[in-house]
Amino acid sequence: NAGVTQTPKFRVLKTGQSMTLLCAQDMNHEYMYWYRQDPGMGLRLIHYSVGEGTTAKGEVPDGYNVSRLKKQNFLLGLESAAPSQTSVYFCASSRRAGALYFGPGTRLTVT
Amino acid sequence: GNSVTQMEGPVTLSEEAFLTINCTYTATGYPSLFWYVQYPGEGLQLLLKATKADDKGSNKGFEATYRKETTSFHLEKGSVQVSDSAVYFCALSAHMEYGNKLVFGAGTILRVKS
Repeated sequence: NAGVTQTPKFRVLKTGQSMTLLCAQDMNHEYMYWYRQDPGMGLRLIHYSVGEGTTAKGEVPDGYNVSRLKKQNFLLGLESAAPSQTSVYFCASSRRAGALYFGPGTRLTVT
Repeated sequence: GNSVTQMEGPVTLSEEAFLTINCTYTATGYPSLFWYVQYPGEGLQLLLKATKADDKGSNKGFEATYRKETTSFHLEKGSVQVSDSAVYFCALSAHMEYGNKLVFGAGTILRVKS
């Protein structure tokens, strides 16, 4: 039982490049989330999903897109990376209204 | 709106000292409250939770009581160990258009010296 896994662990992008972060969970959770963590700001919700094929915006959605084609996977895309998107990205999953289970994070640097 | 305020760190203690990390919240309704811990280089792990007023969450020697009258959820441990060094996040559950999300405080760094 791997829980929540994220790919890749580290990535360096140049401004304007695109990339996709992959999150997978094996707990059959309905809800999945993407957060970003920045120093002194805690975690902020980017997008979330309440089920396969359903996504919604969080607090800081601009510059990101998501897709949930399969229940166990939640993808976060950056179409044109900017230095302001340098951050640590965490995926999480939960049952309806339950505690969140987090992945190990992806450290992204945009130069 | 919904928000969580934690005491600023870092908090530096000697081994076996008593720990308190303050957390207060602002919320509509009666949210569930959580403490998460993040060890270096890792994701967040649920430490404990409380779902209604006067509930006490506890785990690994840590405790926190949901105080509705003071809108607080302070984290305590009677005797800290070096292995407790980590970042601690207080969070509340907030209702969204679909489902719930967690609103996090900024985090408090705890350093325990031997």
